[in-house]
Amino acid sequence: GESVGLHLPTLSVQEGDNSIINCAYSNSASDYFIWYKQESGKGPQFIIDIRSNMDKRQGQRVTVLLNKTVKHLSLQIAATQPGDSAVYFCAESNGGSQGNLIFGKGTKLSVKP
Amino acid sequence: DAGITQSPRHKVTETGTPVTLRCHQTENHRYMYWYRQDPGHGLRLIHYSYGVKDTDKGEVSDGYSVSRSKTEDFLLTLESATSSQTSVYFCAISPQGGTDIQYFGAGTRLSVL
Repeated sequence: GESVGLHLPTLSVQEGDNSIINCAYSNSASDYFIWYKQESGKGPQFIIDIRSNMDKRQGQRVTVLLNKTVKHLSLQIAATQPGDSAVYFCAESNGGSQGNLIFGKGTKLSVKP
Repeated sequence: DAGITQSPRHKVTETGTPVTLRCHQTENHRYMYWYRQDPGHGLRLIHYSYGVKDTDKGEVSDGYSVSRSKTEDFLLTLESATSSQTSVYFCAISPQGGTDIQYFGAGTRLSVL
């Protein structure tokens, strides 16, 4: 499988518990943020996104929180399941349609059954 | 993988040889991207395209060139492969660019010996 998890921060949780994955972003002018999930040997998969005019957005079992004051983003996963085990990346957009996504290095989530 | 096909999926080549990776999409999205993913670095943008024949450089473009002669295909070429270009390469597509979701392909694992 992929070695993208090498030296990544790791979060280990028990099945059924809630998980919180944190991300600090760098550019106070960033206006769009997105979370991806990457399983071993696969490409990143979109989870949820949020624009800077919002503080919170909910999806199915996931919630993203945005704190612009401290440039912090978090992903909350409710009732974590073994299938949630993966590397999670946040990304910020550096502005506009010609802007690009800047990716964080990721956090590895390990779910214990 | 959102109508994205990367080919080949795996390639082993020798230093100094040319290599072309192909990304094909069936979504008719305007924006296409090439990233490389290495342990400890996360996803880094190589080149992107915002339309047919419209391309621009990303963060790590040295040693790479791209072409987009039609909407559905985005080619990444390593003119003379080096061992430092051993990596996993991902193609992504997006309808609106920098403030919209990017959808990723399954990746191409390239080894340069």
